[in-house]
Amino acid sequence: AQSVTQLDSQVPVFEEAPVELRCNYSSSVSVYLFWYVQYPNQGLQLLLKYLSGSTLVKSINGFEAEFNKSQTSFHLRKPSVHISDTAEYFCAVSERWGGTALIFGKGTTLSVSS
Amino acid sequence: KAGVTQTPRYLIKTRGQQVTLSCSPISGHRSVSWYQQTPGQGLQFLFEYFSETQRNKGNFPGRFSGRQFSNSRSEMNVSTLELGDSALYLCASSLGLLGPKASYEQYFGPGTRLTVT
Repeated sequence: AQSVTQLDSQVPVFEEAPVELRCNYSSSVSVYLFWYVQYPNQGLQLLLKYLSGSTLVKSINGFEAEFNKSQTSFHLRKPSVHISDTAEYFCAVSERWGGTALIFGKGTTLSVSS
Repeated sequence: KAGVTQTPRYLIKTRGQQVTLSCSPISGHRSVSWYQQTPGQGLQFLFEYFSETQRNKGNFPGRFSGRQFSNSRSEMNVSTLELGDSALYLCASSLGLLGPKASYEQYFGPGTRLTVT
């Protein structure tokens, strides 16, 4: 069975500051890793994913995440946040070859203020 | 391309009743997954259907069931509703392919907000 731990439930930051949202996972099998974002009153959107290859993956809006197998982590980072990045961020894993079921962390609320 | 649609968007039911929620995936997608989102438990996987067959099941009681039709549309049913079933129910669609060349990208619908009184 897999589990995902998001270490911070809330992260308040000022605009243009860097941010890191932490995610650790536990699994007895190989997994794929994802970050989803949920803006207020909207559905979930895929932000970025790691399936294979380069351990550093990037999104089109400046977020990046690095897969660290030895530390079983997939932390999300952004060097400079905007007010519009305010949302809830979910880390998730999916078992390789086990279907597309996602196991989610509890989520981290990122609040960006000016 | 139209996104994932879920109907109804809001629903109020009484304890003991049953409810059916519907999800229409993106055209061409063969996999539909269902998730329950609550403030206390977060996002929890219910089940996944691929080509009309249940491919995966989460840890929910048998009161929660689902099915998928030949056009990939899916329904989720909850019988004998309990207060704790109040939640946002999300469905996600994907191509459903597995393996090293698959994208594993899932597209979520807006959800159905179920309130049990």
